[in-house]
Amino acid sequence: DTGVSQDPRHKITKRGQNVTFRCDPISEHNRLYWYRQTLGQGPEFLTYFQNEAQLEKSRLLSDRFSAERPKGSFSTLEIQRTEQGDSAMYLCASSSNRGTRSTNEKLFFGSGTQLSVL
Amino acid sequence: RKEVEQDPGPFNVPEGATVAFNCTYSNSASQSFFWYRQDCRKEPKLLMSVYSSGNEDGRFTAQLNRASQYISLLIRDSKLSDSATYLCVVMNYGGSQGNLIFGKGTKLSVKP
Repeated sequence: DTGVSQDPRHKITKRGQNVTFRCDPISEHNRLYWYRQTLGQGPEFLTYFQNEAQLEKSRLLSDRFSAERPKGSFSTLEIQRTEQGDSAMYLCASSSNRGTRSTNEKLFFGSGTQLSVL
Repeated sequence: RKEVEQDPGPFNVPEGATVAFNCTYSNSASQSFFWYRQDCRKEPKLLMSVYSSGNEDGRFTAQLNRASQYISLLIRDSKLSDSATYLCVVMNYGGSQGNLIFGKGTKLSVKP
């Protein structure tokens, strides 16, 4: 499978615990995005990387959230001291924008990690 | 005001019907526009980009009106398999380097 893969698919945790999600983008893609989606809402942007550089973070990304992409390939999203309000689907997406800036950037999404905080 | 607003759903239509979804965006500097489709409990997938001149892909037609900051998607001869949530998506390049802003989505249910 050469698509975007996310692990785990589901995570159930107790409030106050830390969780970490992993995303493996399509191998030649230089951009990687994290989104969060709750029921009845569209995906909300959290952060994105171009290669290993984290270029933008949303105001939604509190200091309990941290994302890394150490070698410009896979990425991790960690949530510390989870709260019930963190329960959501966390989606990763990747795209390629090598060279000049594209105005028609197609994102490929992974299947997401469904987080439930009890 | 939300940056991307869509018609409230759900739309329940019979097979073969024509259905139209509307979307408005608030940032006049927005440069790229898309429709994504999301099946229940699945990830969003790109349905089509939206070009200034309007574009068509089979039964699907997308249109953009920059003056009114309005995007539309028309589905003709709807099929049962078109049942999904349709997400209007805007990409901003102004101060923000390339993140997609999604609308809440409009749910379509096509009935036999």
